[in-house]
Amino acid sequence: NAGVTQTPKFRILKIGQSMTLQCTQDMNHNYMYWYRQDPGMGLKLIYYSVGAGITDKGEVPNGYNVSRSTTEDFPLRLELAAPSQTSVYFCASTHRSAGGHEQYFGPGTRLTVT
Amino acid sequence: KNQVEQSPQSLIILEGKNCTLQCNYTVSPFSNLRWYKQDTGRGPVSLTIMTFSENTKSNGRYTATLDADTKQSSLHITASQLSDSASYICVVSAKAGTALIFGKGTTLSVSS
Repeated sequence: NAGVTQTPKFRILKIGQSMTLQCTQDMNHNYMYWYRQDPGMGLKLIYYSVGAGITDKGEVPNGYNVSRSTTEDFPLRLELAAPSQTSVYFCASTHRSAGGHEQYFGPGTRLTVT
Repeated sequence: KNQVEQSPQSLIILEGKNCTLQCNYTVSPFSNLRWYKQDTGRGPVSLTIMTFSENTKSNGRYTATLDADTKQSSLHITASQLSDSASYICVVSAKAGTALIFGKGTTLSVSS
């Protein structure tokens, strides 16, 4: 049982490039989330999904896209990378809604856009 | 506005000493409050989750308290160890849904 895994661990992008951050969980959780963590700031919710085929925006969705074709995978897409997207990205999952249940986090992806 | 404020921002203590971290929140309606430990370069890991009716919960050397009337919580660490060096994040759920409000964290450094 690996829990929540994320790839890559580190990435440097040039302005305007695109990339996909991968997230996979093996706990059969319905709910999955993407957060970003900026230095000295609390985590901010980017997007979340309550099940395969269902996604919704969080607090800071601009510049990102997501999809949820399977229960296990929840990739985050950056289409036109900007310096403001330099951050650490965490994927998380819960069996049911995060408000009432334990949330499990992945190890994070550190992204730098220059 | 829903907010979670933590203090102090950072703290340095000697190994073996106790310490207490504070969390004040203005989140409403309140569902639950949780404390996470985040090691450098890792994702947050849950320490405790408390609902409105719980005023204390322990996890080993970690004890969290909650005063829902004053909207304050504390995390007490007993007999600190070097491995306790991390960021401790207070998170409040606004309702039994997806909304979690994260504090900025308190960075704890335990030295020998």
